[in-house]
Amino acid sequence: AQSVSQHNHHVILSEAASLELGCNYSYGGTVNLFWYVQYPGQHLQLLLKYFSGDPLVKGIKGFEAEFIKSKFSFNLRKPSVQWSDTAEYFCAVSREYGNKLVFGAGTILRVKS
Amino acid sequence: DVKVTQSSRYLVKRTGEKVFLECVQDMDHENMFWYRQDPGLGLRLIYFSYDVKMKEKGDIPEGYSVSREKKERFSLILESASTNQTSMYLCASSQTRYREWRSPLHFGNGTRLTVT
Repeated sequence: AQSVSQHNHHVILSEAASLELGCNYSYGGTVNLFWYVQYPGQHLQLLLKYFSGDPLVKGIKGFEAEFIKSKFSFNLRKPSVQWSDTAEYFCAVSREYGNKLVFGAGTILRVKS
Repeated sequence: DVKVTQSSRYLVKRTGEKVFLECVQDMDHENMFWYRQDPGLGLRLIYFSYDVKMKEKGDIPEGYSVSREKKERFSLILESASTNQTSMYLCASSQTRYREWRSPLHFGNGTRLTVT
């Protein structure tokens, strides 16, 4: 069965630190890749997505993610985090023409000011 | 801007009650989804619908049913609520064509259901 693994459940960083959140998936075919974010008290929203082309994709609020096909990974990065980045981050994967979107368990990021 | 509205933010129900969770979207989206969100488990798909009166089971459909009589409204029904259904329930919609899964999901704010 298709699965999505997020390596860290809780991450605590100081402001201005760099961020990298890991995401690995198990399916070997063509996939669609997403990162969603849920800020405290708000609904889940799309941060960025990758379907094809340049494996380095940029999203909102200075976030980017790199697709490495050989490693089945889609890690999320930000060079310098802010207190306002405190949120829960979810990686999600779907197969091309598959029948569902599978989410990882989520990573709770707390940024200390 | 897409708006997905869930009728209740918090619900407390007793074991054995029949529970209805309602969701309405205002963007004429084809697809609607019900997920439950539990700490450490992420989001798990309960049911989704790609058209009026059409539905498909997700990963965890047991104990749940759904209804989609109108395009904008998707209801989740707990036939006989149990304590293990205490969770955050999220509704979402998307314009993705059936089985294409590329358009982003637009989520509601969630309903936190407690079954005692």
